[in-house]
Amino acid sequence: AQKITQTQPGMFVQEKEAVTLDCTYDTSDPSYGLFWYKQPSSGEMIFLIYQGSYDQQNATEGRYSLNFQKARKSANLVISASQLGDSAMYFCAMRGSDGGSQGNLIFGKGTKLSVKP
Amino acid sequence: NAGVTQTPKFQVLKTGQSMTLQCAQDMNHNSMYWYRQDPGMGLRLIYYSASEGTTDKGEVPNGYNVSRLNKREFSLRLESAAPSQTSVYFCASSATGRYSNQPQHFGDGTRLSIL
Repeated sequence: AQKITQTQPGMFVQEKEAVTLDCTYDTSDPSYGLFWYKQPSSGEMIFLIYQGSYDQQNATEGRYSLNFQKARKSANLVISASQLGDSAMYFCAMRGSDGGSQGNLIFGKGTKLSVKP
Repeated sequence: NAGVTQTPKFQVLKTGQSMTLQCAQDMNHNSMYWYRQDPGMGLRLIYYSASEGTTDKGEVPNGYNVSRLNKREFSLRLESAAPSQTSVYFCASSATGRYSNQPQHFGDGTRLSIL
């Protein structure tokens, strides 16, 4: 069965510093996709970044980058130059085949990031 | 620039009451989803619809029914609400594709409390 694990329930980071949020996954499907979402205190889910299992390079989107280590089955989110507005819950999710699931997402339990001024 | 619209945003029900959560998307997506979010649990899939006219169970379907009314709309119904269904409900949509790199786009959520 497919599974996403986020081992850090909460993290603190100083403003302007970089922070890494961990995500490990388990799947037997050779083709899969990994997504990161941000959920601020207002509650909406905001898509941040995507990494495909066959992508040769680590994904980057502005201050977000993904440290993708396929052999270790990890897809850690790196946020550079943290800002106060980065304080939020962050969810890692995986899309795989998992039978007839049509590419449904499986979510981790999330990491709460707090940025200190 | 609506994206995915959910109604209502908040609702309080008594145990045993029924209600329907509405969801509509204007992105011409084939696939739509309903999730629930509970503290410490992340998001769990209730039902999904890969295309108009089809629906399938997700991880936690018990106590819910869904209807894919047309390509735009996907509703979630609680026939007899129970306190265990107190949660935040999210609707999402995405482009079709088993291995698609397209993300799911989420509505703002419905906070549902059942007393």
